[in-house]
Amino acid sequence: DAGVIQSPRHEVTEMGQEVTLRCKPISGHNSLFWYRQTMMRGLELLIYFNNNVPIDDSGMPEDRFSAKMPNASFSTLKIQPSEPRDSAVYFCASSRELAGTDTQYFGPGTRLTVL
Amino acid sequence: TQLLEQSPQFLSIQEGENLTVYCNSSSVFSSLQWYRQEPGEGPVLLVTVVTGGEVKKLKRLTFQFGDARKDSSLHITAAQPGDTGLYLCAGEEYGNKLVFGAGTILRVKS
Repeated sequence: DAGVIQSPRHEVTEMGQEVTLRCKPISGHNSLFWYRQTMMRGLELLIYFNNNVPIDDSGMPEDRFSAKMPNASFSTLKIQPSEPRDSAVYFCASSRELAGTDTQYFGPGTRLTVL
Repeated sequence: TQLLEQSPQFLSIQEGENLTVYCNSSSVFSSLQWYRQEPGEGPVLLVTVVTGGEVKKLKRLTFQFGDARKDSSLHITAAQPGDTGLYLCAGEEYGNKLVFGAGTILRVKS
C-alpha cells in the first residue's frame, strides 16, 4: 500500500517566486495535515483538513501561505511570494480520522530552499 | 498552544548503553505520541500513550506517560546503532491536533 506521496522532493527557487507543494494522502484517510520543520522551530503544524474542509489554519505563518484540498486524494500548499525564511522541510501527513489515537502517517517531505 | 520540552537535545552513547529521553509540559494532554525520524524521511510513529501512568514496551523501548498526563519518558535498553535518529514527542491538544517537542538527536556508536 502506497504511503503519503509528496512532490517535489526538493525545490530551489528565488525570493519572490511562487512555490507549490503537492501531497497525495493515503487512500481512505479523511484527515490531512501540513507541517513545517526547521532547526530553529522544530516541527510545526501549519493547517489541517478533515473531509477536504480546512479545520484549523492557525499555524499558517502569513497570508503568503495558502492550502487547498480540492478532493480526497490531493492537497497543495502554496507560498506566494516566497522568502528566504520560508526555507524548510515541509511534510504532509494523513490519518483515517481526527481522533487523537489515530496514527498520522508522514510523507517523505519537500525540502524547500528559497535563495 | 501548549509547549513540550524535550531533554536532552543531543545524546551520543556507545552501543549497549541504556538511555532515557524526557518530554515535559505544564499542560495536560489527551494523549502523547513518540516518533522516530531518520534523515531525509518523515517521522514514524512508535507509540501512543493515553492513560496516566501507562507503560508500553516495544522490544527494547519502554514508554511511560506521567500520572498527571503532563510528561512522558522513553527508555532504551542496550542501545544499538540502528536506534540512531531524531526522537520526537508530540502531545495531542484535541482532535488529533499535535504539538511537537523540539526532539532529541540520538547517536549510538558501535
